[in-house]
Amino acid sequence: QVQLVQSGAEVKKPGSSVKVSCKTSGGTFNSFAISWVRQAPGQGLEWMGRIIHSLNIPHFAPDFRGRVTITADKSTTTAYMELSGLRSEDTAVYYCARDEGDDSSVIFDNWGQGTLVTVTS
Amino acid sequence: EIVMTQSPATLSVSPGERATLSCRATHSVRNSLAWYQQKPGQAPRLLIFGSSTRATGVPARFSGSGSGTEFTLTITRLQSEDFAVYFCQQYNNWPITFGGGTKVEIK
Repeated sequence: QVQLVQSGAEVKKPGSSVKVSCKTSGGTFNSFAISWVRQAPGQGLEWMGRIIHSLNIPHFAPDFRGRVTITADKSTTTAYMELSGLRSEDTAVYYCARDEGDDSSVIFDNWGQGTLVTVTS
Repeated sequence: EIVMTQSPATLSVSPGERATLSCRATHSVRNSLAWYQQKPGQAPRLLIFGSSTRATGVPARFSGSGSGTEFTLTITRLQSEDFAVYFCQQYNNWPITFGGGTKVEIK
């Protein structure tokens, strides 16, 4: 059983950056992919990007390209998402979510517990 | 980008009754459609993928159907633990997109 454990809540100022981690355990790290999905308060789900661990090549949603960095550390089986140029609209719960690594079947069968990022001056 | 639209936004149902949730895509996503359930303060949980295949451990009262642009999630004999928000997600095209959600509440 794969488990995803995320880092704790963050409070950031506008214009700064935040880096959220997602520690994975169970399963074979190199065989799957991790996406980042965010959810603003009371809102729906928004996919931000994805990285396939074996290739270390990320894909991004157009709205986040250039502002988000997604990386993976195989030695610690941890994925990271860094979002820069924070603004108040980035206040949200950020989730990491796992899929099997098949580009034609991006189905999220395991999720982290979520990390609340609050952007406030 | 494929836009996913869910209806209704809120569905009021009595326990034991059936709930029918809809999800529509702006372009065909074939059968590359998943459904998730989310309860307050929790991460989403995968229910259905491939439009109609239940994920491991999902009760048989949950069923999905549809292909192309029109999809349905049906929950028969609603139980107390089924009152939640449900999201559809297409994975046929990049970027991955989700519907806005349907909240199933107790009538």
